[in-house]
Amino acid sequence: AQSVAQPEDQVNVAEGNPLTVKCTYSVSGNPYLFWYVQYPNRGLQFLLKYITGDNLVKGSYGFEAEFNKSQTSFHLKKPSALVSDSALYFCAVRVRNYGGSQGNLIFGKGTKLSVKP
Amino acid sequence: EAQVTQNPRYLITVTGKKLTVTCSQNMNHEYMSWYRQDPGLGLRQIYYSMNVEVTDKGDVPEGYKVSRKEKRNFPLILESPSPNQTSLYFCASSPGSVGAATKYEQYFGPGTRLTVT
Repeated sequence: AQSVAQPEDQVNVAEGNPLTVKCTYSVSGNPYLFWYVQYPNRGLQFLLKYITGDNLVKGSYGFEAEFNKSQTSFHLKKPSALVSDSALYFCAVRVRNYGGSQGNLIFGKGTKLSVKP
Repeated sequence: EAQVTQNPRYLITVTGKKLTVTCSQNMNHEYMSWYRQDPGLGLRQIYYSMNVEVTDKGDVPEGYKVSRKEKRNFPLILESPSPNQTSLYFCASSPGSVGAATKYEQYFGPGTRLTVT
């Protein structure tokens, strides 16, 4: 079965320090990988995605993520955290399909990022 | 403004009283989906639709119904709500039809917080 794991419920970072939010996946085919962010009392917003090509993808608000096929990981990173980055982050995966019904979007359980001044 | 709207945003109801949560998107997207978000469980897909009159079950469809009579609307129906359906519900949409929608990110509505007593 397809699954996504976010091993940390919460990540605490000091403002200005680099941050990493971890994500690993388990799928039977080639994945499409996504990161979404949820601010308090808001819906989810798309940050970035890996479809194909360069393993390092850049997204909104200075975030980036690296696709590592051998480790089945797609960790979210930012070189210098801001207090305003504090939010709930979700990793999600979909399996590519070639003509059949599309795969569901499977979400991880979310990681709460807290950036302190 | 491109957006997904949901109504109502907040709803408190009693067990067994039928309700409908509306979802509408103005981006001409083929794909629409409903999720529920529960603490510690992340987002789980309830139903999705790849186009008008095409719907399919997600991971947790029990107790829910949907319909897709128009491209822009995708209402979620709870025929006989129960307390275990108390949750935060999100509607989402994305472009692309069968096979192609997998690689696109989804646009989320603001959420509907439902309480069933």
